Amino acid sequence: QVQLVESGGGVVQPGRSLRLSCAASGFTFSSYVMHWVRQAPGKGLEWVAVIWSDGSKKYYADSVKGRFTISRDNSKNTLFLQMSSLKAEDTAVYYCARDMSSGWGSDYWGQGTLVTVSS
Amino acid sequence: QSVLTQPPSVSAAPGQKVTISCSGSSSNIGNNYVSWYQQLPGTAPKLLIYDNNKRPSGIPDRFSGSKSGTSATLGITGLQTGDEADYYCETWDSSLSAGVFGGGTKLTVL
Repeated sequence: QVQLVESGGGVVQPGRSLRLSCAASGFTFSSYVMHWVRQAPGKGLEWVAVIWSDGSKKYYADSVKGRFTISRDNSKNTLFLQMSSLKAEDTAVYYCARDMSSGWGSDYWGQGTLVTVSS
Repeated sequence: QSVLTQPPSVSAAPGQKVTISCSGSSSNIGNNYVSWYQQLPGTAPKLLIYDNNKRPSGIPDRFSGSKSGTSATLGITGLQTGDEADYYCETWDSSLSAGVFGGGTKLTVL
């Protein structure tokens, strides 16, 4: 069965960096576009970034552009989100999600990992 | 302020029907597909509708989606207490070159 498991969250000081991972299993990871979506405490969903299946294209939300980098290692079935210059407003649960191969929508989501930016 | 506009809340009685709107512009809903998600408290979002009006396997036909111009609508019939959740629309914005979500709508089944 399809599984996405995020890790790497925690408490980090403003201005520091953190790298999130999303381990994928149960499907051919290298064939799928992948997203990161976040949700601040008590707030709605915010799309963060997307990466093409072969890593050739990457797009970011304006709120994270220049600070976050999405990447993937298809040999290890793992998606990453490198976050730098973190701000308090980056505090959120971060989800990785699999894009449908035949439609617009994310059909599988991880359980999320909490990132707290605080001094 | 979300690019896509949803009502903050809707409510209806069990067994009734409810619709949730999602308003955008020509750069997003007007020229791209829309998906809808259900998020129960403390859980990850679940895909309900993709490509405007298609249901993934396992999603009951009580859930439906439609799109007209720069707006999309999620419909839920035969409301159940288990449908109480937050609902989000999502699409791609061609001007931003980014995905965008609506602000979310909290459904209360009275």
